This record gives sequence, C-alpha cells and structure tokens, in this order.
Amino acid sequence: AQKITQTQPGMFVQEKEAVTLDCTYDTSDPSYGLFWYKQPSSGEMIFLIYQGSYDQQNATEGRYSLNFQKARKSANLVISASQLGDSAMYFCAMRDLSLRGTGNQFYFGTGTSLTVIP
Amino acid sequence: EPEVTQTPSHQVTQMGQEVILRCVPISNHLYFYWYRQILGQKVEFLVSFYNNEISEKSEIFDDQFSVERPDGSNFTLKIRSTKLEDSAMYFCARGTDQETQYFGPGTRLLVL
Repeated sequence: AQKITQTQPGMFVQEKEAVTLDCTYDTSDPSYGLFWYKQPSSGEMIFLIYQGSYDQQNATEGRYSLNFQKARKSANLVISASQLGDSAMYFCAMRDLSLRGTGNQFYFGTGTSLTVIP
Repeated sequence: EPEVTQTPSHQVTQMGQEVILRCVPISNHLYFYWYRQILGQKVEFLVSFYNNEISEKSEIFDDQFSVERPDGSNFTLKIRSTKLEDSAMYFCARGTDQETQYFGPGTRLLVL
C-alpha cells in the first residue's frame, strides 16, 4: 500500500498567488513526522517544512505552511505569494517515529511539479 | 554551507563495473542514509546506517550494494556490478534521532 499519495502530477500558479499541493498518507503508527522537500531542476533535495503528528499547531516556515488534518490523514503544503523560483518538484514524505533512534526510513510520494507563471 | 557533500557529482560507468559513491557529512552525525531516484520517479530508500552499522535496508538494497564508513568520516555506497537499471540520482542524507533528514546534492550515475 502507498504510504504517501500525491495526486497532482503538475500544478500551475500565477506569480504572487498562493498554491496548495496535496498530500495524503497512510500509517497505523501514532507517532510520525511529515515533511516537504523541494527539488529544483538542478536535482538537490531541499528541506522545507516539518509537522509532527502530535503537534497542536500547523507548521509554518516563511511562505510555507502545512495544512495538517490528522483525521483525514492529509498534510497539504501551502505556498503563499508564489515566486518564479518556486518552480520545482515538490515531494511529500513521512517517517514513522515509533522506531526513533534506529535510523528508520522516509517514505516519499511521487511528487508534484509546480510551475509559477509570470 | 552544505550539510553533506557528495562525490562525484556525476559518474558514467560501463555495465558490470563497480562504482563507489562517497558522502562526507560536515557535522558529526550518527545517522546516515542512502536514497536513489530514478529519472522522473520518486525518491526510494536504500539503507540507513546508525552508529557504524546498517540499521535498516529496503528490498532494493540487495547483495550488489554495500555501505561502509571506512575512516570514520566518509560514508560510501558501493555497487559491485552495475546494471543499466542502476542509473539514477543517488542521495546521501544525514540525520539525528529527531526528525529531519538533510540531503546532499546527489550523485548522478549513468550506466551504459
């Protein structure tokens, strides 16, 4: 079964507008972490934002915020005031934290390609 | 300043040859990971390395693969006999026992 599902293979947004990238996840572990990474065309993976399953508030990092809906098992990324440099692939990832300290792995989604239109 | 550096940035090799990909974490961390990303596909976990031992590996990480930390600093991924389907971007990541993993810039491997 897919651990992470990103249903939007490609998205377009007008510069300066906000955009939401969808992510749903599947786990039976009560303790987990959710992550978003940005991958520009150069290929590197850039960490954007983290949300813990027990965090009471939605995570925010500058123009990035994570709309965490635990009951729906969704962790959507919201980018406000889009910039041309935001054009990239965006990957949602999850880590089960019950095995914390043993180097447990990340599960990645298939990604969403975001294009910001000037 | 990058958290992790990887060498080489690109490597082209012939099928059946051995390749060694290197990762140098800037800070002293106990947790390291290798991932691969076949062109246009999602990132896939290969192996995690904790306290100088493999702690978890995926089904992709078969006998063709091995990891070492030969000098206590460099962290290497060896592919013994490369296949065409090993062509991918290989990422090293470092982490703590907290949550986030920081990825290196990757090594793009092309097997001909």
